[in-house]
Amino acid sequence: GAVVSQHPSWVICKSGTSVKIECRSLDFQATTMFWYRQFPKQSLMLMATSNEGSKATYEQGVEKDKFLINHASLTLSTLTVTSAHPEDSSFYICSARDIKQGVWGYTFGSGTRLTVV
Amino acid sequence: TQLLEQSPQFLSIQEGENLTVYCNSSSVFSSLQWYRQEPGEGPVLLVTVVTGGEVKKLKRLTFQFGDARKDSSLHITAAQPGDTGLYLCAGVLPSGNLIFGKGTKLSVKP
Repeated sequence: GAVVSQHPSWVICKSGTSVKIECRSLDFQATTMFWYRQFPKQSLMLMATSNEGSKATYEQGVEKDKFLINHASLTLSTLTVTSAHPEDSSFYICSARDIKQGVWGYTFGSGTRLTVV
Repeated sequence: TQLLEQSPQFLSIQEGENLTVYCNSSSVFSSLQWYRQEPGEGPVLLVTVVTGGEVKKLKRLTFQFGDARKDSSLHITAAQPGDTGLYLCAGVLPSGNLIFGKGTKLSVKP
């Protein structure tokens, strides 16, 4: 089945630094990837939709200059949290849609636990 | 704003019991998905329901999509400790994006 690899699985960084999270579709091409954020005991909130070769579409309230998304190839999207602050600490999850499986073909990565100290 | 209300939020039961989780919305979805998420992991797709009134079975799990495609339910028969996890429903929007319910945290005790 479709596999999405997300790296790193956890990261601790100092306040003010930047952190990059990678999301790779291992065995399929994904023209669209999605980035979610999940706070403890809460559901997934969509942050942005990443389309290969074009600018990401951000959800209302998500700062595009803080959460930089790059989708340079059909198998890789990256999320960079710039100038991280403790309130950015969260569980970040990516998902990729397999174009061959149509609108329902979502596969999620295993998530990245970001802790900003 | 389209919202998915999921209930109950928490459920703690004994092994062997049956349970039902509900997912309701005032909006119509073209399809709805159910996911299961383990702590520290991403969600894993269980099923996609598309047709109003559709019923799908996955071993001891039964999924139903409401006739009006606004609500869905997940029924687990004879729950086992391995069923423990966070169950999420997600509506598929016309854009193809997903909107998630808040989830039901299920704990099945041996």
